[in-house]
Amino acid sequence: GAGVSQSPSNKVTEKGKDVELRCDPISGHTALYWYRQSLGQGLEFLIYFQGNSAPDKSGLPSDRFSAERTGGSVSTLTIQRTQQEDSAVYLCASSLALGSAYEQYFGPGTRLTVT
Amino acid sequence: QQPVQSPQAVILREGEDAVINCSSSKALYSVHWYRQKHGEAPVFLMILLKGGEQKGHEKISASFNEKKQQSSLYLTASQLSYSGTYFCGTEGNSNYQLIWGAGTKLIIKP
Repeated sequence: GAGVSQSPSNKVTEKGKDVELRCDPISGHTALYWYRQSLGQGLEFLIYFQGNSAPDKSGLPSDRFSAERTGGSVSTLTIQRTQQEDSAVYLCASSLALGSAYEQYFGPGTRLTVT
Repeated sequence: QQPVQSPQAVILREGEDAVINCSSSKALYSVHWYRQKHGEAPVFLMILLKGGEQKGHEKISASFNEKKQQSSLYLTASQLSYSGTYFCGTEGNSNYQLIWGAGTKLIIKP
């Protein structure tokens, strides 16, 4: 079956512009996660969604970052007034459910470059 | 706090063994291991839960010492396909948030 997909695969934007990153999770997966990975670094947790419950936003680095998940499926991560330090690969992952024992399936990521 | 992975990098000949360690300063509920090849998404290897439950691929083995807040990933008879960067993600207090280590880069040479 289809895996997690993300779009666009690459995004170059000017400092100060807003960007939207999209994630399509695996069908039937109720949990969805966003991570940020800077060059040569590990993953940084941003936010997770579980079904229609309120998301855990505690990892979002500033109020310029927001995310939503419509209909319990597709998710969009929005970064407003982008800064150069926002440049990174943004990874989305989904899992069958929210829980410590569930493996996460990652998408290919969106490489964001802020110039 | 980010878990500490060691070594940062290791170079092996095909067929050799390796151990990758992940250590946290906080009590852990679970440890997750993933492998990421250059330019690709991370791929699941293993989950180790407090209490001893494990879930993962048959050819991968790992340990979780709850008291020491440490986990180790054991790669035996390494193959060229094992090359990549290995990340551990740690979860404290069953809050479903994974805090990731900086990664261990593994290079396998023929």
